[in-house]
Amino acid sequence: QVQLQESGPGLVKPSGTLSLTCAVSGGSINSDYWWSWVRQPPGKGLEWIGEIYHSGAANYNPSLRSRVIMSVDESRNQFSLKLSYVTAADTAVYYCARHTAYSQEFWGQGTLVTVSS
Amino acid sequence: EIVLTQSPVTLSLSPGESATLTCRASQSVSSSYLAWYQQRRGQAPRLLIFGTSNRATGIPDRFSGSGSGTDFTLTISRLEPEDSAVFYCQRYVSSPPGYSFGQGTKLEIK
Repeated sequence: QVQLQESGPGLVKPSGTLSLTCAVSGGSINSDYWWSWVRQPPGKGLEWIGEIYHSGAANYNPSLRSRVIMSVDESRNQFSLKLSYVTAADTAVYYCARHTAYSQEFWGQGTLVTVSS
Repeated sequence: EIVLTQSPVTLSLSPGESATLTCRASQSVSSSYLAWYQQRRGQAPRLLIFGTSNRATGIPDRFSGSGSGTDFTLTISRLEPEDSAVFYCQRYVSSPPGYSFGQGTKLEIK
């Protein structure tokens, strides 16, 4: 069974860059699946950030596209998220997930990132 | 942009009853592209239904999905206390590729 684990700083300063990594175990990131990042501000709903394929092809939420970069590290079996110019509105629990049939089947436990000085 | 509107916002039912949750899209959604998730308090979302009516691995048959076009339904029969959660519908759009979620329905089991 595929398992995903998010990691990265829990606190980022305003105007800085949020950087997270999702480590994949129990499966290869080179398999024929897309991989996503989803976030959830405290007490609010889910927001899809973007998705990436092991080839490096990526699709982003139009509302975040100008600030998001995703990448894959095949040698480490992991993928990453960078979100630049963060504000307090980017404070959220960030989840990574693996897709199945136009949905996200396997999820990490999530990691809270707070944007504050 | 396709907007998903879920109803009701909150639902309070007793064990053993059935719950009907609705997801309405502002434009037609392919049945292959509609999914449902359950999120218990403090946990990551869990995929329940994909492709409108297909149960994900390990999901009991008390959960069922249906619908087409702009109207989709998640039905939960024989409610159990552990079903207390927020439920989200989600749609995929192919051009440009992307996903969006409904605002969620909170289900409380009395």
